[in-house]
Amino acid sequence: GQQLNQSPQSMFIQEGEDVSMNCTSSSIFNTWLWYKQDPGEGPVLLIALYKAGELTSNGRLTAQFGITRKDSFLNISASIPSDVGIYFCAGQLGAGGTSYGKLTFGQGTILTVHP
Amino acid sequence: NAGVMQNPRHLVRRRGQEARLRCSPMKGHSHVYWYRQLPEEGLKFMVYLQKENIIDESGMPKERFSAEFPKEGPSILRIQQVVRGDSAAYFCASSTPGQEPYEQYFGPGTRLTVT
Repeated sequence: GQQLNQSPQSMFIQEGEDVSMNCTSSSIFNTWLWYKQDPGEGPVLLIALYKAGELTSNGRLTAQFGITRKDSFLNISASIPSDVGIYFCAGQLGAGGTSYGKLTFGQGTILTVHP
Repeated sequence: NAGVMQNPRHLVRRRGQEARLRCSPMKGHSHVYWYRQLPEEGLKFMVYLQKENIIDESGMPKERFSAEFPKEGPSILRIQQVVRGDSAAYFCASSTPGQEPYEQYFGPGTRLTVT
């Protein structure tokens, strides 16, 4: 089946630093989504990407959909303590077949921000 | 707040009992997805339902697990004769019908503990 490899597994940074994490896939996805999960809560959608090559920003977050449709990255600029959490990438196949709605998740990146 | 609602938030069952997890999608959403998350892992797709229809159950274990989304009322994920390995967080997500893409919004999850 499809697998997403997300890296790094964890990051320890100082407040104010920029952060970058990425996901790679063995197969193509037509949509990439980035989520953040706080302890004891469900994932919260941060950014959705729909087209290969697309670069999208949401405040201090920037994400890109790779040209090959097999990868995506997420950048967080000027990190703050509330950025702490687990960040997940997720890929979606899209139209065609019954699996089009299913999200395939990466293993997550645990972000710790030191004040 | 008309977000995805799940109950109960925590559920404790003894081995052999049945567990019933409920999910009410966001207002206006008619597509529901169930995912399972083991400790320190990403979410794994289980099943995708629309009202009165199972669209994709490729992630559901073949035995003991079932899901439904009736015409009226919440979606139900049922686990019969629970075993310790069923202990996990179960998340429901919903999306709106219509054109792609299908952004999925998650509920807070049900944490199932099997003793």
